[in-house]
Amino acid sequence: DAKTTQPTSMDCAEGRAANLPCNHSTISGNEYVYWYRQIHSQGPQYIIHGLKNNETNEMASLIITEDRKSSTLILPHATLRDTAVYYCIVRVKDNAGNMLTFGGGTRLMVKP
Amino acid sequence: NAGVTQTPKFQVLKTGQSMTLQCAQDMNHEYMSWYRQDPGMGLRLIHYSVGAGITDQGEVPNGYNVSRSTTEDFPLRLLSAAPSQTSVYFCASSYRLAGGETQYFGPGTRLLVL
Repeated sequence: DAKTTQPTSMDCAEGRAANLPCNHSTISGNEYVYWYRQIHSQGPQYIIHGLKNNETNEMASLIITEDRKSSTLILPHATLRDTAVYYCIVRVKDNAGNMLTFGGGTRLMVKP
Repeated sequence: NAGVTQTPKFQVLKTGQSMTLQCAQDMNHEYMSWYRQDPGMGLRLIHYSVGAGITDQGEVPNGYNVSRSTTEDFPLRLLSAAPSQTSVYFCASSYRLAGGETQYFGPGTRLLVL
């Protein structure tokens, strides 16, 4: 699975959009981009995933560049409860074991 | 549905003791896995299972055993606990879907080995 690079930490004002970048320059054509988050002391929570098209759900939007070498997770109206570590993961959809490789993630702090 | 449940929530062991961390899911998921998370770090895969009777090693399997006798349960056994196994342990489960899979995580077990 391709490696990812994320900033260690970011701040965002409450009510504003939080844009979390992820670089995955070695991504393969059959690898998806997944985003999970982990709120303090809890298990990770799935947010969104995509292959090459932009995706949106009730939690967030995922923007993937045309060359697929980077992506951005957008939380449109961040709240204090969105304070968490956000993990960007790239992996083959049906790789053996269906497991995830977590890196260090981005620690997002939403401030009042 | 209860989702993924883990017991116990907290555990303190002495070096050399053995114990089993329990994990259960009621979503009829094929895939289950165990991760450990050390302070300030991401999750690392210990063992995983793609179905009842089938298990395999992940990134850091040494010191841990698993079995999968039923679809619902995936216990993790520490045969002889060591201080290096002090960590938070997460169990996860998922379907295998054509459109992409998402994993559901349990609340974690915090283990301290003295």
